Amino acid sequence: AQSVTQPDIHITVSEGASLELRCNYSYGATPYLFWYVQSPGQGLQLLLKYFSGDTLVQGIKGFEAEFKRSQSSFNLRKPSVHWSDAAEYFCAVGEGKLIFGAGTRLAVHP
Amino acid sequence: DTGVSQNPRHKITKRGQNVTFRCDPISEHNRLYWYRQTLGQGPEFLTYFQNEAQLEKSRLLSDRFSAERPKGSFSTLEIQRTEQGDSAMYLCASSLELVLATGELFFGEGSRLTVL
Repeated sequence: AQSVTQPDIHITVSEGASLELRCNYSYGATPYLFWYVQSPGQGLQLLLKYFSGDTLVQGIKGFEAEFKRSQSSFNLRKPSVHWSDAAEYFCAVGEGKLIFGAGTRLAVHP
Repeated sequence: DTGVSQNPRHKITKRGQNVTFRCDPISEHNRLYWYRQTLGQGPEFLTYFQNEAQLEKSRLLSDRFSAERPKGSFSTLEIQRTEQGDSAMYLCASSLELVLATGELFFGEGSRLTVL
């Protein structure tokens, strides 16, 4: 079955600290992988995507993610978190129709 | 604004009433998706259209739910005889076909339904 697992429901980091959000997927074929961010009252915004090529992809707002086929993972990273990064982050997989994880809520302490 | 537009943004209704949500996708996008999101969960796929054809429906879409995209542009999602369990955020997204793009979905801000 196709699925996405985000093991961390809630993460708190200090402003300026590094961040890694985990994502594991189960998918039959080479997946298209995505990270979206959702701020309160806002729609889902695409941070980055992977569909082929270089396994380290760069996104908006200083985020990057690395696709590791052997681990079925697509973890999101940011070297230095800003207070404005507090939001909910969703990993998704699919071709056309996307399957989403349950999300990780990020809180940022000043 | 040329993004995905949804209305109404909020709807409060009594159990048993019918509600309808509208989605206007990005104009050149031929695919349109409906998702449902409940508190603490990620979006769950409900259905999608390619142009006016409804190509897939989730098992989550009970007989009380119906979606249309009559002219391949805007879409409506109707829920008949609403139940409290229907309370959720209903998200619309649009995209181009995969042969034309890389599969990313562009989301609207959602329509929040509260059933009393």
